[in-house]
Amino acid sequence: GDSVTQMEGPVTLSEEAFLTINCTYTATGYPSLFWYVQYPGEGLQLLLKATKADDKGSNKGFEATYRKETTSFHLEKGSVQVSDSAVYFCALNSGGYQKVTFGTGTKLQVIP
Amino acid sequence: GAVVSQHPSWVICKSGTSVKIECRSLDFQATTMFWYRQFPKQSLMLMATSNEGSKATYEQGVEKDKFLINHASLTLSTLTVTSAHPEDSSFYICSAQSPGQGASGELFFGEGSRLTVL
Repeated sequence: GDSVTQMEGPVTLSEEAFLTINCTYTATGYPSLFWYVQYPGEGLQLLLKATKADDKGSNKGFEATYRKETTSFHLEKGSVQVSDSAVYFCALNSGGYQKVTFGTGTKLQVIP
Repeated sequence: GAVVSQHPSWVICKSGTSVKIECRSLDFQATTMFWYRQFPKQSLMLMATSNEGSKATYEQGVEKDKFLINHASLTLSTLTVTSAHPEDSSFYICSAQSPGQGASGELFFGEGSRLTVL
C-alpha cells in the first residue's frame, strides 16, 4: 500500500536559517504529492503540491520538487521566520477521489 | 480554494454524554468527506470516509457504534461521539475533496474541533 515517511522532529532553527524537511514515499502509479501545514490550534492548510514528476511546488518561500527517481518530495525554505513555526505534513494521493496518505508530521520551531 | 468549516471549535462535555461535530463544505458539494483524529504527538489517524447518502466506511480499529457518522447532504457531514469518555478527548478534523480538484486529490480541511471529556 501507499506510505509516506518524513523526518522526525521536532526541528528547531534560528530565524533566517535554511530549512529542509525530508519526505519519501511509496505508491503505485503516479501519485500527486502535497505538503500541508498546521499552525497551533488550527486545521491543516495546503502549503504546496506537485502532480507529476519533476514538478516543483512553491508557496510562501517554500519549495518542493517531485523526484520520481528517488521517490522524494523534500520541503525547503531558504530563510525561515518565527511565523513558520508549525507542524508540516507530507502527503500523497494515488488517484482522484481516494483517501490521502499522510506522513507523521514534523514540528518546526523557529526561534528569534 | 474550497472552504470547509467545522463546528464547534471547542467542546467540553461530561463523561457519558454524546457530542456532535459538524463539517460543512461552504462553496462546493462534497460527495466524500474524511474524518481524522489527531493525537498529542501530532499524527493524524483517518477514522472514516463519509459518503453522501450511504454508510460511512470505517478504518480498522475504529468503533463505528461510538463514532457515528452521518452524511445527509452534499455539504454536511456529522460526527457524533456517543457516550464519550476521557480517552475520547482529542482534536477531530474533517476534510473534503472538491470536484474541481479531483484530478490532484487535494484535500481541504476544516479548522478542527477540540473535544475535552471530563
